[in-house]
Amino acid sequence: GEDVEQSLFLSVREGDSSVINCTYTDSSSTYLYWYKQEPGAGLQLLTYIFSNMDMKQDQRLTVLLNKKDKHLSLRIADTQTGDSAIYFCAEKLTGGGNKLTFGTGTQLKVEL
Amino acid sequence: DAGVIQSPRHEVTEMGQEVTLRCKPISGHNSLFWYRQTMMRGLELLIYFNNNVPIDDSGMPEDRFSAKMPNASFSTLKIQPSEPRDSAVYFCASSPLGGGDTQYFGPGTRLTVL
Repeated sequence: GEDVEQSLFLSVREGDSSVINCTYTDSSSTYLYWYKQEPGAGLQLLTYIFSNMDMKQDQRLTVLLNKKDKHLSLRIADTQTGDSAIYFCAEKLTGGGNKLTFGTGTQLKVEL
Repeated sequence: DAGVIQSPRHEVTEMGQEVTLRCKPISGHNSLFWYRQTMMRGLELLIYFNNNVPIDDSGMPEDRFSAKMPNASFSTLKIQPSEPRDSAVYFCASSPLGGGDTQYFGPGTRLTVL
């Protein structure tokens, strides 16, 4: 079945790296996504990775995918206070139409 | 591009009243999704449409909820009668078919049912 798990909270100091983790159970994922939600706003796509890739880098963001362990991570380098938000991972399944299954979200708090 | 547009942004109503939420997807997108977000249940997919046709409505909580997409540029989510437990933020998202099927979210409608 579909199940996407994330830890609920992460606190880091400004300037440090943040690593947000996600595990999923369905091995038929085709794409995996990271979304960011700021207070009072909708979800904003940050990046996505195709399931046959191991890594994708986009400026301060690095996505790592370990298909064997069904583990996805998002690393934010030089974390800033503006990065404080809830981060959701999501997966798109083969044969699942084009709907996404979202994780529970990780609240990132960046402290000075 | 204006992005996904939702209205109203906030809605306060009394139990038993009918509520209609509206969504305008991004022009050219073929798929439209309705989600509900609460602290207790997180983000839940209610229903989605491809080319204006409902594909999966298994997330619609009960018969009080209905959704329509009369054309490619407009969708509604209706709750009748509304109940306090329907209080949540309702998001609409749209995506183009194919490729990464990336979904683009609207700003949401915060619904409070008293």
